[in-house]
Amino acid sequence: DQQVKQNSPSLSVQEGRISILNCDYTNSMFDYFLWYKKYPAEGPTFLISISSIKDKNEDGRFTVFLNKSAKHLSLHIVPSQPGDSAVYFCAASASGSARQLTFGSGTQLTVLP
Amino acid sequence: DVKVTQSSRYLVKRTGEKVFLECVQDMDHENMFWYRQDPGLGLRLIYFSYDVKMKEKGDIPEGYSVSREKKERFSLILESASTNQTSMYLCASSRHRTGELFFGEGSRLTVL
Repeated sequence: DQQVKQNSPSLSVQEGRISILNCDYTNSMFDYFLWYKKYPAEGPTFLISISSIKDKNEDGRFTVFLNKSAKHLSLHIVPSQPGDSAVYFCAASASGSARQLTFGSGTQLTVLP
Repeated sequence: DVKVTQSSRYLVKRTGEKVFLECVQDMDHENMFWYRQDPGLGLRLIYFSYDVKMKEKGDIPEGYSVSREKKERFSLILESASTNQTSMYLCASSRHRTGELFFGEGSRLTVL
């Protein structure tokens, strides 16, 4: 039973446009959410996080939105750049502790020049 | 910067062989983790450790064991490798009570 779901395995976007990556979760106890980016042959790197007390968190070109009632979060990248092409994983935690981090299956983002 | 180093980037082993995957972190993190990454399944937690000589099972511990004799080092052991253990293995570390994991570059294991 996947508690964190990324239903789009892949997404292609034109350079300069907005990329929107989606993530749904089923566990209402999740209260901390993270996005990781992974390039081929490298480990995932932390991108941005959001606590359930917020509905938006911004860091440069990256914004994460959280809709608790819908159990849905999204990552917006504006403007998208070719270097953003990577696999993006969303992850969720029930306690703010990394011990309970549950990952989605990932979305491959391709930004076309 | 945090550095998590995994000893082998690529390994090829035969069914039944014993496999050791080693991981070292240099930031004095309390927590260390072993995940495996498979297409369509994301990252699944095998084992984690929150202190020296302490370990807890993750979601898929069967067929694996771990060892943490020193704070900076966390080893994953496959006692008798099987073909369904062919995967990308990722080690990670974190400070206590934070959600941010720092990952190594991964070890691609192929079991023939």
